[in-house]
Amino acid sequence: DQQVKQNSPSLSVQEGRISILNCDYTNSMFDYFLWYKKYPAEGPTFLISISSIKDKNEDGRFTVFLNKSAKHLSLHIVPSQPGDSAVYFCAASGTGANNLFFGTGTRLTVIP
Amino acid sequence: GAGVSQSPSNKVTEKGKDVELRCDPISGHTALYWYRQRLGQGLEFLIYFQGNSAPDKSGLPSDRFSAERTGESVSTLTIQRTQQEDSAVYLCASSLGPGQLGDGYTFGSGTRLTVV
Repeated sequence: DQQVKQNSPSLSVQEGRISILNCDYTNSMFDYFLWYKKYPAEGPTFLISISSIKDKNEDGRFTVFLNKSAKHLSLHIVPSQPGDSAVYFCAASGTGANNLFFGTGTRLTVIP
Repeated sequence: GAGVSQSPSNKVTEKGKDVELRCDPISGHTALYWYRQRLGQGLEFLIYFQGNSAPDKSGLPSDRFSAERTGESVSTLTIQRTQQEDSAVYLCASSLGPGQLGDGYTFGSGTRLTVV
């Protein structure tokens, strides 16, 4: 049972435009959400996170939005750069949990 | 070392053989996690070690899977009598300790296991 879902396996965006990656979750006990970025042949690296007490967190070109009522979060990258091309994983966890639940990933391609 | 090291990076094995995957966490990281990613799927939690506490094995998919960790050092994940469905990238991550979820994880590059 996939508790964290990324329904778009791939996304292509022109350099300089906004990239929007979406993620949905089903477990209402999740209270911490993260985005990871993964390049080929490397492990995932942490990008940005958000706690359920917030609805937005920004770090440079990256902003994560959380809509708890819809159980939906999104990652906005603006402006997109070719170096942003990677697979992006959404992840979630609940208080006291030992592990993260990951989505299946979205492959972002930023076209120069 | 500077990062989490996993070996081997690639492993091809015949169905029915046993395999052992190794993870060297970052020095000082007391928590260690194993995940796997099968083709087209997300990262799937397998097992969590925290210091000398009993590991959380709730993600292990069958009794063919086991893992060990000595103290706060190297961990090995063993898969016995491998099946084709075990083919996946096996990822190890470490963190400073409990509560260091998510942004506290450092992942290794993974071991790509192919069972033929």
